[in-house]
Amino acid sequence: GESVGLHLPTLSVQEGDNSIINCAYSNSASDYFIWYKQESGKGPQFIIDIRSNMDKRQGQRVTVLLNKTVKHLSLQIAATQPGDSAVYFCAERGGGTYKYIFGTGTRLKVLA
Amino acid sequence: KAGVTQTPRYLIKTRGQQVTLSCSPISGHRSVSWYQQTPGQGLQFLFEYFSETQRNKGNFPGRFSGRQFSNSRSEMNVSTLELGDSALYLCASSLEGAGNTIYFGEGSWLTVV
Repeated sequence: GESVGLHLPTLSVQEGDNSIINCAYSNSASDYFIWYKQESGKGPQFIIDIRSNMDKRQGQRVTVLLNKTVKHLSLQIAATQPGDSAVYFCAERGGGTYKYIFGTGTRLKVLA
Repeated sequence: KAGVTQTPRYLIKTRGQQVTLSCSPISGHRSVSWYQQTPGQGLQFLFEYFSETQRNKGNFPGRFSGRQFSNSRSEMNVSTLELGDSALYLCASSLEGAGNTIYFGEGSWLTVV
């Protein structure tokens, strides 16, 4: 079946270090990908997106990399801060559909 | 601009009852989608509506249904509640749906006892 998975369910990083959260997707026809951040008790918050015709996109302190050859997506957070502690989800949109498939999430813990 | 608004935020229901959850999308957004999130699980797609029409449906039983009104507001209903329906139900809106970023509300926490 369709699925979006994450390699690391929990990632602990020191404050100030860079974080890398990985995601594997299964649908080679997916054409749009989004990373979300979800803090406890809140809904998912948009972080950054990327379309399948790109392999890299940068935002403020975040970078998303897309490798379509191996169907892999990653989120890089520079100079990780305590406020970055949350669960991060990747999501893919199947080409031509209106539904997004989410991974189970990676919990990022920032150590002081 | 106000975000996606969901009501109620918390509710407790008994097995066998039914529940209706409401969602008001971001102003100007015409696509509304619903997701179920359970502990330890990712978000599971329920359905998506655009201009009062359901365009896509996830793999949930018929007890889960939804609708969208002409003002783009949406409701979802779960009938004959089961304990396993306890979850966070998230609504998301986007301008059109396909290829547009979806923005989530804070969700409705449903507990079935």
